[in-house]
Amino acid sequence: GAVVSQHPSWVICKSGTSVKIECRSLDFQATTMFWYRQFPKQSLMLMATSNEGSKATYEQGVEKDKFLINHASLTLSTLTVTSAHPEDSSFYICSADSGWAQYFGPGTRLLVL
Amino acid sequence: AQSVTQPDIHITVSEGASLELRCNYSYGATPYLFWYVQSPGQGLQLLLKYFSGDTLVQGIKGFEAEFKRSQSSFNLRKPSVHWSDAAEYFCAVGPLNFGNEKLTFGTGTRLTIIP
Repeated sequence: GAVVSQHPSWVICKSGTSVKIECRSLDFQATTMFWYRQFPKQSLMLMATSNEGSKATYEQGVEKDKFLINHASLTLSTLTVTSAHPEDSSFYICSADSGWAQYFGPGTRLLVL
Repeated sequence: AQSVTQPDIHITVSEGASLELRCNYSYGATPYLFWYVQSPGQGLQLLLKYFSGDTLVQGIKGFEAEFKRSQSSFNLRKPSVHWSDAAEYFCAVGPLNFGNEKLTFGTGTRLTIIP
């Protein structure tokens, strides 16, 4: 139980394009999901808290117009990186709150050329 | 503000030897405490969690952790490591009303296993 999936696992895109990453809780409902970014050999940096049916809460320094978050259902949150640039290349990980713990997806590696 | 310290950036252990990974936290009250493991290129897997009761918590893969309030510590242990335990380990702390509150992560400890 408590499985979280992410899609895609890998994405390469051209600079200036937008990329959408999906995060799904497969066997539980999650009112709250979280989006993290992880740089090589570093810890996770929380980008935003995604709440079902309401606006996401962004951490300081994270551009909400660049990283669009939508949490339209209790099992799905999406992160859209708009007008991606090479500096947005990173490993993006989502987690879903089961009410008992946060369960993490396998991550999405984004490479912007 | 809450914080988590993992003092050891990198630990090397021989296969079959015992393991202890350190975690210290700073929090205004008794928090929820977690240990996660991350294999290269993967997401995080929950090993165990403490929120109340017995201070010795058993987790998956033979891991256990002990909550010591007096030392503000939540160290992870395993009596005999396997090569497959090589990974990055993260300690995290969350508030008691966990539900939509964010976790605070430590910087991680990378575990290397030698034959």
